[in-house]
Amino acid sequence: GQSLEQPSEVTAVEGAIVQINCTYQTSGFYGLSWYQQHDGGAPTFLSYNALDGLEETGRFSSFLSRSDSYGYLLLQELQMKDSASYFCAVSAASGGSYIPTFGRGTSLIVHP
Amino acid sequence: DTAVSQTPKYLVTQMGNDKSIKCEQNLGHDTMYWYKQDSKKFLKIMFSYNNKELIINETVPNRFSPKSPDKAHLNLHINSLELGDSAVYFCASSQIVLGGDTQYFGPGTRLTVL
Repeated sequence: GQSLEQPSEVTAVEGAIVQINCTYQTSGFYGLSWYQQHDGGAPTFLSYNALDGLEETGRFSSFLSRSDSYGYLLLQELQMKDSASYFCAVSAASGGSYIPTFGRGTSLIVHP
Repeated sequence: DTAVSQTPKYLVTQMGNDKSIKCEQNLGHDTMYWYKQDSKKFLKIMFSYNNKELIINETVPNRFSPKSPDKAHLNLHINSLELGDSAVYFCASSQIVLGGDTQYFGPGTRLTVL
């Protein structure tokens, strides 16, 4: 099976930079995704890494190290609206299909 | 246009009842999913269908039965509802490309069993 570990909560102030780490254990690994979920809302896709390195999308960047089974989401120039839960998710192949597995989520609280 | 839609958004019912949640996607994706998110926000996959065929069936009570009339629809029927079924149920769809699958989630159905 798959397992993912990420911090349960992170706090930061507006304008700061925050990094949310994710470590995983899985077989048949294909890639690591990140999703954002505001309270009462649905998860929305942020980024996907299949290869080692950094992917940048505006204020958000995501990093993957396949050899370390580790990735992180970097949020820059934090805004109040970034307060949300952030989930890492692995895509892994099993029996000819892909099984997505989500971490338990990190609650990011941004203070003024 | 809404990419992934679910109905109803809220569902309040008594223990022992049978209920259904409907899901439709207009993205042309081949794969659809049902997830359950509990009060601690743990998002757990329940089922996955690819082109109307069941490909993932995680450890879920057989009171839960998915049905896919076509690849744009995946409905979830729940028999004999129990208190522990109270949760938010999300439908999602994806198109698996180059080993990756970006999940597009519906707005969720908040089920409360009394």
